[in-house]
Amino acid sequence: SAVISQKPSRDICQRGTSLTIQCQVDSQVTMMFWYRQQPGQSLTLIATANQGSEATYESGFVIDKFPISRPNLTFSTLTVSNMSPEDSSIYLCSVDVNGISNEQFFGPGTRLTVL
Amino acid sequence: SQQGEEDPQALSIQEGENATMNCSYKTSINNLQWYRQNSGRGLVHLILIRSNEREKHSGRLRVTLDTSKKSSSLLITASRAADTASYFCATDAKGNEKLTFGTGTRLTIIP
Repeated sequence: SAVISQKPSRDICQRGTSLTIQCQVDSQVTMMFWYRQQPGQSLTLIATANQGSEATYESGFVIDKFPISRPNLTFSTLTVSNMSPEDSSIYLCSVDVNGISNEQFFGPGTRLTVL
Repeated sequence: SQQGEEDPQALSIQEGENATMNCSYKTSINNLQWYRQNSGRGLVHLILIRSNEREKHSGRLRVTLDTSKKSSSLLITASRAADTASYFCATDAKGNEKLTFGTGTRLTIIP
């Protein structure tokens, strides 16, 4: 298993600003994932972040809007840029610890409200 | 969209009763997993079933998988108030580490 923390746990931001969310894991992992969960909805994968390479974005998500850093095997950041109220969501990071069964462990999430 | 669907969308039962949730998916899978989410927080992994398995148990949880029908069910027996949460199924395809989540079932246990 893995223990994952996220900062901040929640934030209220003004339109047009940017927020960087941090994800810290207590062990080294190869693959980290960033998800968005809009109010009352399921999870949608934003991107996959591997250490030492560019993040791979899913359809509908672009690097300019959601830049991701992955400086080492225990840490990643997701930035939500030029925010609008439509970006109000819970953002979650997850990791695949063993890389075999694809069982993922999730952080507690960051609840973002954009005014 | 490759997203799976779950039914019911919402379920309310009395404490002590059994709760059954169903998940349908669209493509061939490698594994199917069930997760629980309390009050919009992080997800907790409950159980994983592989495509070559038909049934799996973990405590009060029982999961079945029917790959011919592309469906799975999660049964929670002897429900407790603490089981109140949203439950999601998630699938991954062979050779693909990405998870595709279902729409979720919101379960409410009435004390």
